[in-house]
Amino acid sequence: ELKVEQNPLFLSMQEGKNYTIYCNYSTTSDRLYWYRQDPGKSLESLFVLLSNGAVKQEGRLMASLDTKARLSTLHITAAVHDLSATYFCAVTETSGSRLTFGEGTQLTVNP
Amino acid sequence: NAGVTQTPKFRVLKTGQSMTLLCAQDMNHEYMYWYRQDPGMGLRLIHYSVGEGTTAKGEVPDGYNVSRLKKQNFLLGLESAAPSQTSVYFCASSQPGLATDTQYFGPGTRLTVL
Repeated sequence: ELKVEQNPLFLSMQEGKNYTIYCNYSTTSDRLYWYRQDPGKSLESLFVLLSNGAVKQEGRLMASLDTKARLSTLHITAAVHDLSATYFCAVTETSGSRLTFGEGTQLTVNP
Repeated sequence: NAGVTQTPKFRVLKTGQSMTLLCAQDMNHEYMYWYRQDPGMGLRLIHYSVGEGTTAKGEVPDGYNVSRLKKQNFLLGLESAAPSQTSVYFCASSQPGLATDTQYFGPGTRLTVL
């Protein structure tokens, strides 16, 4: 059974600081997704990481994938209040397209 | 291009009542999914479909049924609602075979079962 774990689950940080969210998964997969969810809203796709060593960046967010370690990171650079949201990683099993989600990391960026 | 839409947005049921949630997508996607989201548990897959006329069970299928009679629609049914089914339900769709086959999510349906 594929399991996906994120840490931390709650993160409170100051504007301007850097931090990293970690996503570990339990079985082989070469495709990992990051989503953002604002309170009361739907999920918005941020990144799709397709292979070992993949790195993608959008604004202050950068995601990477290490398939050998079964680890993805979402790095936040110089956080701003607008980044406050819940961030989910999700992994597909290699045999199909079903996504297994992590519990989510609730990020709060304080002025 | 509306993307993925869900009907209704909110609903309150009494225990034992039935209802159907409708999901529609206009992106001609082959795959569609129903998830539930509960606090602290992320999203869990209820049922999914890999094409018109096909459905399959996900992680938490008990108490739910689905149908995909048309490619663009995916219906989720609760035959006899229970308080444990109080949740936010999200529908999603995706197109396999693309380099970035991300799932696109609908706005969600907030269901309360009393």
